[in-house]
Amino acid sequence: ETGVTQTPRHLVMGMTNKKSLKCEQHLGHNAMYWYKQSAKKPLELMFVYSLEERVENNSVPSRFSPECPNSSHLFLHLHTLQPEDSALYLCASSQDGTGYEQYFGPGTRLTVT
Amino acid sequence: DAKTTQPNSMESNEEEPVHLPCNHSTISGTDYIHWYRQLPSQGPEYVIHGLTSNVNNRMASLAIAEDRKSSTLILHRATLRDAAVYYCILRDDNFNKFYFGSGTKLNVKP
Repeated sequence: ETGVTQTPRHLVMGMTNKKSLKCEQHLGHNAMYWYKQSAKKPLELMFVYSLEERVENNSVPSRFSPECPNSSHLFLHLHTLQPEDSALYLCASSQDGTGYEQYFGPGTRLTVT
Repeated sequence: DAKTTQPNSMESNEEEPVHLPCNHSTISGTDYIHWYRQLPSQGPEYVIHGLTSNVNNRMASLAIAEDRKSSTLILHRATLRDAAVYYCILRDDNFNKFYFGSGTKLNVKP
């Protein structure tokens, strides 16, 4: 595996479910990011982790809970989501937490029913 | 609260140069200008970034106006693989202010 991988690629969940998105980077980077891309809105930065410490949380609802157990893995835990949370969730990594030259994964297409 | 303005779409012929404009009239002195592109069904891909001087890399060139209120991404010879949405982004010292706009959808005709 190379680059940034995300699983699953597609996810359908009900509003009462709990699920997790996984991201793994194979680039030796120290920073990882979660973004949300909705159909009619620009890409939105959700969370930033640098050296496994959360350094940014852009007013994201608590039903989204990130976890970064090590510099190669990032999770987004989901619970009691709303239909408006349906979107493409993208993970990215960069060498450090400054955000330069981010490498993105292919995303997880989430549908909340 | 968009900080960049780009045309919604542009069209180019294959093997011709493409100039993608971006306006950022409220740019501050410490804002870097980044460009990413997103091919269909893929995550965004880094293209280039700069602060004041023009920049070149293997993918593209970035021309920054002297007053820094606008910039242009230049693809020297468009290929069909360059068809994507191109995002012009400003990043300031506060990392959480990393604004993606709506981007320009580039269509490349054979």
